[in-house]
Amino acid sequence: ETGVTQTPRHLVMGMTNKKSLKCEQHLGHNAMYWYKQSAKKPLELMFVYNFKEQTENNSVPSRFSPECPNSSHLFLHLHTLQPEDSALYLCASSPGTSNTDTQYFGPGTRLTVL
Amino acid sequence: EDQVTQSPEALRLQEGESSSLNCSYTVSGLRGLFWYRQDPGKGPEFLFTLYSAGEEKEKERLKATLTKKESFLHITAPKPEDSATYLCAVQGDFGNEKLTFGTGTRLTIIP
Repeated sequence: ETGVTQTPRHLVMGMTNKKSLKCEQHLGHNAMYWYKQSAKKPLELMFVYNFKEQTENNSVPSRFSPECPNSSHLFLHLHTLQPEDSALYLCASSPGTSNTDTQYFGPGTRLTVL
Repeated sequence: EDQVTQSPEALRLQEGESSSLNCSYTVSGLRGLFWYRQDPGKGPEFLFTLYSAGEEKEKERLKATLTKKESFLHITAPKPEDSATYLCAVQGDFGNEKLTFGTGTRLTIIP
C-alpha cells in the first residue's frame, strides 16, 4: 500500500450517467494529481492541485470536473462521457514542498463507458 | 516539449538472465528522472529518482543509472516476481510538477 486509496476500483457507466471518482491520501502531502492511462499510451496528466489550488489543467474536456476540498481528498466528477474515455484513472500525491517531488500513485479506477 | 522513449517495448528473459531497459529522454533542464514499476491492474509503484548525470541507485536486483541523454534500468539475476511493466518519467524545468512518461517496457521473467 502506498498511502493513496481510490474508490471505486471498477466503474461501468453509460454515456448519460453522472459519477464521481474519489481519491484519498494518508501521507500528509500537499499536491494531488489525476492521470489517465490508456492502452499503449503514456500516462497522461489531467489535473494538478497544490495546497487545494488547481495549478494545471492539461486541456481536459469539460465533461471531466475535478474537485479538491482539502489536501487529503481529490474527486473527479464525470458526466456525459464518451466510449473513448474508457481507461485506468490514476490519482497520485506528492509532498509539494520542493522542485523535484516524487509522486506516489493509488491503485486506479478502471472506467468503462458503454 | 519533453519527450521520453523506452525500449524495448517488451522483453522476455529466463530466470537469472541479466539485462537492461533503456529510457531515452529530451527535456529542457532535467530536474529529475523517475523509474516506476507497474503490475497489471495496479498503479505505478515508485522505484528510483535520479537527479544528475553519473548518478546511480540500487534496490535489490535493480540498478538505475543516468547520463545526459538516457537512463538504464539494469536487472541482475531476475526472478519471476520481477515481471511487470517498468515506466520511466522525467520532470523538466518548465513543467512545474508535470511528469512526462514513456510507454513502458513490459518485462516477463520465465521460470
